Amino acid sequence: EDQVTQSPEALRLQEGESSSLNCSYTVSGLRGLFWYRQDPGKGPEFLFTLYSAGEEKEKERLKATLTKKESFLHITAPKPEDSATYLCAVQPITGNQFYFGTGTSLTVIP
Amino acid sequence: SQTIHQWPATLVQPVGSPLSLECTVEGTSNPNLYWYRQAAGRGLQLLFYSVGIGQISSEVPQNLSASRPQDRQFILSSKKLLLSDSGFYLCAWSGPGQGNNSPLHFGNGTRLTVT
Repeated sequence: EDQVTQSPEALRLQEGESSSLNCSYTVSGLRGLFWYRQDPGKGPEFLFTLYSAGEEKEKERLKATLTKKESFLHITAPKPEDSATYLCAVQPITGNQFYFGTGTSLTVIP
Repeated sequence: SQTIHQWPATLVQPVGSPLSLECTVEGTSNPNLYWYRQAAGRGLQLLFYSVGIGQISSEVPQNLSASRPQDRQFILSSKKLLLSDSGFYLCAWSGPGQGNNSPLHFGNGTRLTVT
């Protein structure tokens, strides 16, 4: 069964304190792994797609990496505006579905 | 550019009443369309997806149904709502075709409260 687990559930950081969010997955074959940012009351906003182990993508203070079993979202020197819930999703190679983890709620304190 | 519209933004309905949520996409043809539900403090649960007009795949058996009467229109319905149907409903689209690895793009959701 395809499964996505994210940790930690919640993370509080001081402004400028770098950290990483984890997304571990079990899927028969991976077509793609996707990271999203979700603000309260809004739909998720697409950040990155990763397709194969060893791949990395960067956007401003965020960097996503992928191994065969997990992905990390590294946040470097975060700012309060980075506070949001970060969601990870996988798309199995066998279909068109996207399966999401429960997310990490990030709070960055000024 | 592509845009996705979902309405209404909020909805309060009594138990046993019907439901119809609508989603439309602009700026793309033959998108794959999806309905997700997000319960408080939980992840996104895939309810239905569609790769073409009249083609609906159901992920979770429940009292909801979906229809795709036009290429860029996706409707989520229920004949009789349950309390457990409360949640945040999200429509999304991705690039067309089977086996497409383009990302999902979401609407801003409908907050449904069943009383």
